[in-house]
Amino acid sequence: EADIYQTPRYLVIGTGKKITLECSQTMGHDKMYWYQQDPGMELHLIHYSYGVNSTEKGDLSSESTVSRIRTEHFPLTLESARPSHTSQYLCASSPGTSLTGELFFGEGSRLTVL
Amino acid sequence: KNEVEQSPQNLTAQEGEFITINCSYSVGISALHWLQQHPGGGIVSLFMLSSGKKKHGRLIATINIQEKHSSLHITASHPRDSAVYICAVLMDSNYQLIWGAGTKLIIKP
Repeated sequence: EADIYQTPRYLVIGTGKKITLECSQTMGHDKMYWYQQDPGMELHLIHYSYGVNSTEKGDLSSESTVSRIRTEHFPLTLESARPSHTSQYLCASSPGTSLTGELFFGEGSRLTVL
Repeated sequence: KNEVEQSPQNLTAQEGEFITINCSYSVGISALHWLQQHPGGGIVSLFMLSSGKKKHGRLIATINIQEKHSSLHITASHPRDSAVYICAVLMDSNYQLIWGAGTKLIIKP
């Protein structure tokens, strides 16, 4: 059982609102990731972190930002939500210093922007 | 052409059937992941392999590095196996993950 948690699971908000999707893991993993997934489509990496104070943009352009102040916490923030941000956001982590570690996923946050 | 291709895209089978899902890739890799995504979105890692074969319960994953191909097999399939199965490869050039589009499996009772 993976110990990685995302909140909220579901969120419906109006255009222009600021939102933060939370992701926490209790496994002490250095590497954490945020993926965006539209229904029936593949996952796209939007942000990743290889440790505290390390964040990088992924291969999908995103208007979101992330921070990694603590190992266990990797929140994703949208300053001004738009309907185009409607999607599912999945957080993942992987252990160790090796780049080939197993992936552990949260349950996802399904965001709807009206 | 996608760098990771899965087949079939959709698969419907009867309970008890032997299931095979294929993943072909065109890049050099360090490892390959098989993951399962249930309706509602949660993703579970099934296997990570870089050579040979791994088995966990009724699931078996194989990889042929020379042929750039991996298969996921499910023996004695059950309706609870219904999910989307995703193949993802870790590129050996930059350690980025490339995801397949997934195979939607439905097992009918």
